[in-house]
Amino acid sequence: NAGVTQTPKFQVLKTGQSMTLQCAQDMNHNSMYWYRQDPGMGLRLIYYSASEGTTDKGEVPNGYNVSRLNKREFSLRLESAAPSQTSVYFCASSGAPYIAPLSGNTIYFGEGSWLTVV
Amino acid sequence: QQQVKQSPQSLIVQKGGISIINCAYENTAFDYFPWYQQFPGKGPALLIAIRPDVSEKKEGRFTISFNKSAKQFSLHIMDSQPGDSATYFCAAHTSGTYKYIFGTGTRLKVLA
Repeated sequence: NAGVTQTPKFQVLKTGQSMTLQCAQDMNHNSMYWYRQDPGMGLRLIYYSASEGTTDKGEVPNGYNVSRLNKREFSLRLESAAPSQTSVYFCASSGAPYIAPLSGNTIYFGEGSWLTVV
Repeated sequence: QQQVKQSPQSLIVQKGGISIINCAYENTAFDYFPWYQQFPGKGPALLIAIRPDVSEKKEGRFTISFNKSAKQFSLHIMDSQPGDSATYFCAAHTSGTYKYIFGTGTRLKVLA
C-alpha cells in the first residue's frame, strides 16, 4: 500500500529552468494538494484539487501551475524556477470533505521532494 | 482569522518527561484538529486528532487537550522518549472545505 508517491525525491535546478513534480495516490481520494515547507513557515498550500477536473489556488500559488491528470495524479510545474522556490514540496491527498472526520478527512502526505534552485 | 498559532518553536525534554505543545486559533468554524508528526526526511503523518465536542482525547502516551472557549488545543506527550524526537504540527480544518490550516511546527528533541 504505497499511499501518496511523489517524484523526484531530490532535484537541483538552475534559475530559469522548468520542471514538473509528479504525485500519485492509490487511496481513491478525491482531493489532492501541493504544499511547500520552509523553515519557520510551516506548511503552506500552493494549489489544491478538490476533485478530478478542478484546481484552485492556495496560499502561495505564484510561479507554479498544476494539472489534475486523473483521479490518481496531480502534478506541480515550475515554469521558470527561481531561488525563492528552493524548498521541500509535499503532495497530499484526502477523502471528500463532506465525509465526517475523524477518518475520512485525514490528509495523507507523500515523503517530499527536495528542490534546490541555484 | 485563518491562522493557527503554534508554540513553542522548539522544545528540549529529558527522557521520561512530559512534552507540551500549544496551538491557538481564531476561526470558530474549525471543527477538526489533527496533530501531525514529521521525522527528518519524511512527510508529516497523522498522530492524533480531536473534534471540539470533546475536551480530551488520549491515544497511548499522546493526549490532545481541547479548550473550546479559549480556542486553544495542546498536545501532551507523556513519558517522552528519544524516538519521539520529531517536528510536530497542529492543524485545523472545517468540514465541507478542502483547506487545512497548519501551525508553523515545533521541533521536539528528547534527550536520552
